[in-house]
Amino acid sequence: DAGVIQSPRHEVTEMGQEVTLRCKPISGHNSLFWYRQTMMRGLELLIYFNNNVPIDDSGMPEDRFSAKMPNASFSTLKIQPSEPRDSAVYFCASSSRQGYGYTFGSGTRLTVV
Amino acid sequence: GENVEQHPSTLSVQEGDSAVIKCTYSDSASNYFPWYKQELGKGPQLIIDIRSNVGEKKDQRIAVTLNKTAKHFSLHITETQPEDSAVYFCAPSEGGFKTIFGAGTRLFVKA
Repeated sequence: DAGVIQSPRHEVTEMGQEVTLRCKPISGHNSLFWYRQTMMRGLELLIYFNNNVPIDDSGMPEDRFSAKMPNASFSTLKIQPSEPRDSAVYFCASSSRQGYGYTFGSGTRLTVV
Repeated sequence: GENVEQHPSTLSVQEGDSAVIKCTYSDSASNYFPWYKQELGKGPQLIIDIRSNVGEKKDQRIAVTLNKTAKHFSLHITETQPEDSAVYFCAPSEGGFKTIFGAGTRLFVKA
């Protein structure tokens, strides 16, 4: 298995632009998580899905952030409009055992200038 | 919600020495205790985990010990090697979905 696949690896965008991050979980995993990592705040859970259904999005910082999971093999995290304080590494993770052990992707490093 | 603290925040050891990282948590309902290793430019990787019905688990040079009464668990790395240099995170949970990660411990292994 190729593991959790995230794209792009790096994204540089201007403030106000829309950003879309993509994730392909491991086949057969039914839980998917989006995390954000910064030096100041560490790893923060933004939203998680179980069987493609959003379960808890209380970690999403603002209405500018949205996430979708249209099918079991694909999820997106969208920021519109982006702001410099959104600069961070965004990780997607999946799990087959209802949260017992996550497999993380390599992350997307987002820079908003 | 769960409060998670890791100590120390930074640890420097000589190659071949042992390293111990401690994680304390607040939620007595936690029953799953994993450790993740994050190397530069990569996502965290699960390296060892333990359930609440077990006190200790070993996998080659790494081990995790759990003290549920005191609400802490520790990662032990023996015979450290330069490739063990990384950031280590604990992430106790009820085995549900809302896992809170510790702030991380940066381990340096000096050759």
